[in-house]
Amino acid sequence: GAGVSQSPRYKVTKRGQDVALRCDPISGHVSLYWYRQALGQGPEFLTYFNYEAQQDKSGLPNDRFSAERPEGSISTLTIQRTEQRDSAMYRCASSPGTSGGVNTGELFFGEGSRLTVL
Amino acid sequence: AQSVTQPDIHITVSEGASLELRCNYSYGATPYLFWYVQSPGQGLQLLLKYFSGDTLVQGIKGFEAEFKRSQSSFNLRKPSVHWSDAAEYFCAVSYGQNFVFGPGTRLSVLP
Repeated sequence: GAGVSQSPRYKVTKRGQDVALRCDPISGHVSLYWYRQALGQGPEFLTYFNYEAQQDKSGLPNDRFSAERPEGSISTLTIQRTEQRDSAMYRCASSPGTSGGVNTGELFFGEGSRLTVL
Repeated sequence: AQSVTQPDIHITVSEGASLELRCNYSYGATPYLFWYVQSPGQGLQLLLKYFSGDTLVQGIKGFEAEFKRSQSSFNLRKPSVHWSDAAEYFCAVSYGQNFVFGPGTRLSVLP
């Protein structure tokens, strides 16, 4: 597709279950980012990849959260043993890459995956 | 640590009126600054960006922003607001390979 695609768009799960959120970035984009956005707040950084390498995971809240991008394209964000506080919109964004170590480019966002933990 | 503040949580303007949304950043080096807009149920879309050079940058949909280093600000402006501009607006700064977003300002437009 032409844009960033995320699935599922909506996920309702019970506390304690594992969930996997998928992101299919724009073809050829080197960088892929995961953000979490609470209602009425700005996107909060979770992690990002250049190609298949996870460059920074400092935003992941705890070890229940993990992400991978094994072939440098599609990425999966996994939340284990979900808790109610994990409920949020999870947004994926991709970018063509960096120049001189700085990302000066535009982030292209998907429509997000809204997670509700009961 | 890098941070972005947007002092106004919610702004209401009448259609046709001018608009200014405030953004302040905290970052030690030369910042790369962005404004994104988020319409209901949509992803974020880039309005404009500043890297260097002319401190007044033009964006899409008639928006512009001015970088003022002395004030650590990057305020977004539009001379005449349209009803379709009602949305959430986010200021962001890029450092290294990451982006930090502000909390957002929700814009409502009165007919």
